[in-house]
Amino acid sequence: GQQLNQSPQSMFIQEGEDVSMNCTSSSIFNTWLWYKQDPGEGPVLLIALYKAGELTSNGRLTAQFGITRKDSFLNISASIPSDVGIYFCAGQASSNTGKLIFGQGTTLQVKP
Amino acid sequence: DTGVSQNPRHKITKRGQNVTFRCDPISEHNRLYWYRQTLGQGPEFLTYFQNEAQLEKSRLLSDRFSAERPKGSFSTLEIQRTEQGDSAMYLCASSLAWGEKNEQFFGPGTRLTVL
Repeated sequence: GQQLNQSPQSMFIQEGEDVSMNCTSSSIFNTWLWYKQDPGEGPVLLIALYKAGELTSNGRLTAQFGITRKDSFLNISASIPSDVGIYFCAGQASSNTGKLIFGQGTTLQVKP
Repeated sequence: DTGVSQNPRHKITKRGQNVTFRCDPISEHNRLYWYRQTLGQGPEFLTYFQNEAQLEKSRLLSDRFSAERPKGSFSTLEIQRTEQGDSAMYLCASSLAWGEKNEQFFGPGTRLTVL
């Protein structure tokens, strides 16, 4: 099925470092969502974005809705061990569909 | 806990058997979604309901798959004549869709293993 291009695929960083990941699409989206998933669990919603250029924060997390509406970015500042997990971006093409299209995920590992 | 719940959490079945999963959404959420996730991939959309109406189905949802939401509350996903390729995590999500906002909240998933 159709998926977004998410990068990097994996990251191994030191505790306290900042992290950046992004998601790109060949088509326009009107909504971008970022999720975190732990092994054996469902994805947990982190941030939702609804307007091109929008910058939204949730604690140490900051996400942006790209101006072209074809990309989105997630930054995590001052990483801690509990940030470990798989981060997914998801896009919704229009309000007429309920379908979310997901990226392949970015696996984050944090070394204490 | 008033989040999305799914039962069972794990299901092991033999090829050819039928299985049914249940999802209870967050109360008052009008939309309910089913996704499938295989190892190393993001979730893939299967179908969604607005209240009791099934509004969209993916081509991934073959004839062996059927989903219902009879009273606009809980939903069931049935897979008939299971195949090994059906082994995956089946995720349910719900949302309260209004205007442009449609934040989907996921349950813990049902992991299906077909032997």
